Amino acid sequence: DAEITQSPRHKITETGRQVTLACHQTWNHNNMFWYRQDLGHGLRLIHYSYGVHDTNKGEVSDGYSVSRSNTEDLPLTLESAASSQTSVYFCASSGGSQPQHFGDGTRLSIL
Amino acid sequence: GENVEQHPSTLSVQEGDSAVIKCTYSDSASNYFPWYKQELGKRPQLIIDIRSNVGEKKDQRIAVTLNKTAKHFSLHITETQPEDSAVYFCAASSNDYKLSFGAGTTVTVRA
Repeated sequence: DAEITQSPRHKITETGRQVTLACHQTWNHNNMFWYRQDLGHGLRLIHYSYGVHDTNKGEVSDGYSVSRSNTEDLPLTLESAASSQTSVYFCASSGGSQPQHFGDGTRLSIL
Repeated sequence: GENVEQHPSTLSVQEGDSAVIKCTYSDSASNYFPWYKQELGKRPQLIIDIRSNVGEKKDQRIAVTLNKTAKHFSLHITETQPEDSAVYFCAASSNDYKLSFGAGTTVTVRA
């Protein structure tokens, strides 16, 4: 079955380190999204992509970057991790005007 | 950009009673309104969605209503059951792709 997978599921790192979270989907969806989820804020959009080599900033993009070199993957990079980036990160994908489907999330702790 | 407000933030109901969650949005161009349910430690999952050319949509015990003039939409859950306990998120989109989420409603169904 087609799916969307995130890795790792949990990660602990230190401030100042570079961190990359992986997102891989097998639906051949053009649209991919990264969100962070914090208590009281719901899901906030970090970056998104509508296709290969297309990337766009969301509402909370500072300190994050993405690249889209193929249809299946949209890795999220924290260039220099900060404690304020401790959060649960969700990746999602959609095809055309179809609903977004989410991965299982990555719980990231920055000490 | 789009701003989605969701109320209430918490909702406790007796099993068998109805639950109603309300959302307002700011962008009059928004035309797609999904609702997601997230159980503790799990991914958000789509439970129902509505487009702007429809005023109401039902799926078994779940219904969504949309008032485009007032720019608000609501989720109605009838005959609530313990398995309805979760966090519910509303969202809005003006292009079928990028979603803006509300902050979420924690629903607790008391046995």
